[in-house]
Amino acid sequence: RKEVEQDPGPFNVPEGATVAFNCTYSNSASQSFFWYRQDCRKEPKLLMSVYSSGNEDGRFTAQLNRASQYISLLIRDSKLSDSATYLCVVNRGGGADGLTFGKGTHLIIQP
Amino acid sequence: NAGVTQTPKFQVLKTGQSMTLQCAQDMNHEYMSWYRQDPGMGLRLIHYSVGAGITDQGEVPNGYNVSRSTTEDFPLRLLSAAPSQTSVYFCASNNVYSEYNEQFFGPGTRLTVL
Repeated sequence: RKEVEQDPGPFNVPEGATVAFNCTYSNSASQSFFWYRQDCRKEPKLLMSVYSSGNEDGRFTAQLNRASQYISLLIRDSKLSDSATYLCVVNRGGGADGLTFGKGTHLIIQP
Repeated sequence: NAGVTQTPKFQVLKTGQSMTLQCAQDMNHEYMSWYRQDPGMGLRLIHYSVGAGITDQGEVPNGYNVSRSTTEDFPLRLLSAAPSQTSVYFCASNNVYSEYNEQFFGPGTRLTVL
């Protein structure tokens, strides 16, 4: 099983719809989890951290399921500007060497 | 704050040439890292540094050297460029004391090796 796995997509979703994607991880000792957003030909930027109890930031909801070793990202009322690649990032501890990036899920919001 | 800056934005090299990709940050972060991003491969760690004078290898270090003489700068040197090093290179820094361990990325250098 790969360390961090994501469905690469693309997910083609009409504007206003709700979309969700998951990410699975293999290291049960992983300590923290994040979703990053990467626009075409740009650098990744932190979207949100994922807390054990789940957390919400506006239209975005992140969930963590440690038992099944997956995290999810839900986007409600999707906007054209949500079109991007979403990277799942898992931290097993330490600094940068403890971070593992998923390959990303490509989301396209269609008008 | 400028954040993390990288130069150049684009570079074309011939096989065998050497060059240095520059990276600087003004956030006083101890941790700095270099990643490469290839289609279908995701971000892979090349080298990282936990502070001035300290560097270590990441997942894909071969063909690259780094040094960290100051907190601000973390250059990446390609010793003898190969076509396999064609990629997008991102430098990143983070505050190890932050609750989130958030990585701040530079805008990237797009390198083509012919």
